[in-house]
Amino acid sequence: EVQLVESGGGLVKPGSSLKLSCVASGFTFSSYGMHWIRQAPKKGLEWIALIYYDSSNKYYADSVKGRFTISRDNSKNTLYLEMNSLRSEDTAMYYCAKKGYNNYFDYWGQGVMVTVSS
Amino acid sequence: DIQMTQSPASLSASLGETVTIECLASEDIYDILAWYQQKPGKSPQLLIYDASSLHTGVPSRFSGSGSGTQYSLKINSLQPEDFASYYCQNGLSAPLTFGSGTKLEIK
Repeated sequence: EVQLVESGGGLVKPGSSLKLSCVASGFTFSSYGMHWIRQAPKKGLEWIALIYYDSSNKYYADSVKGRFTISRDNSKNTLYLEMNSLRSEDTAMYYCAKKGYNNYFDYWGQGVMVTVSS
Repeated sequence: DIQMTQSPASLSASLGETVTIECLASEDIYDILAWYQQKPGKSPQLLIYDASSLHTGVPSRFSGSGSGTQYSLKINSLQPEDFASYYCQNGLSAPLTFGSGTKLEIK
């Protein structure tokens, strides 16, 4: 059974940094690309980053480019999202998701909440 | 960037009814489109990929169709567990974009 478990969220002040983790199990993590997607409270879904299975390519939404960094450690079956210069508009539930066929999200974690507020 | 326009924003229907949700892409996405279901307080789940292929374990009352820029999700014979929010997603190229969502409520 595919499982994705996010952690590392919390309440932080504007301008600060935070690093999210996503531990994967139930599939060969090193063979699949992974995504981060977020959802602001009562809002829709926003894709924010993709990393290929071997970290050879990374893509970002314009809203986070230059501030967020996606990375992975295949030896630990773990995906990361390093978030710098956080803004109030970054407040959201953050989900990691496994890259399926094409650029679909075939399995999702339960999400981790990030709140940016003074 | 490819924009995804989803309609309606909300929909009220009764058990046993059939409903359709529409998604319009700003350019041809060659059927590389997915639909997701999200229940309150839960993470989204993949329902349909490549416009019309059912993901593993998804009931056959869900179906997808369309081509080019116009796509739709149809749910036959609504069940209590189907009342949720639904999102379409462009999978053709980054940035990967979602429709704004449709909230399906019980009438």
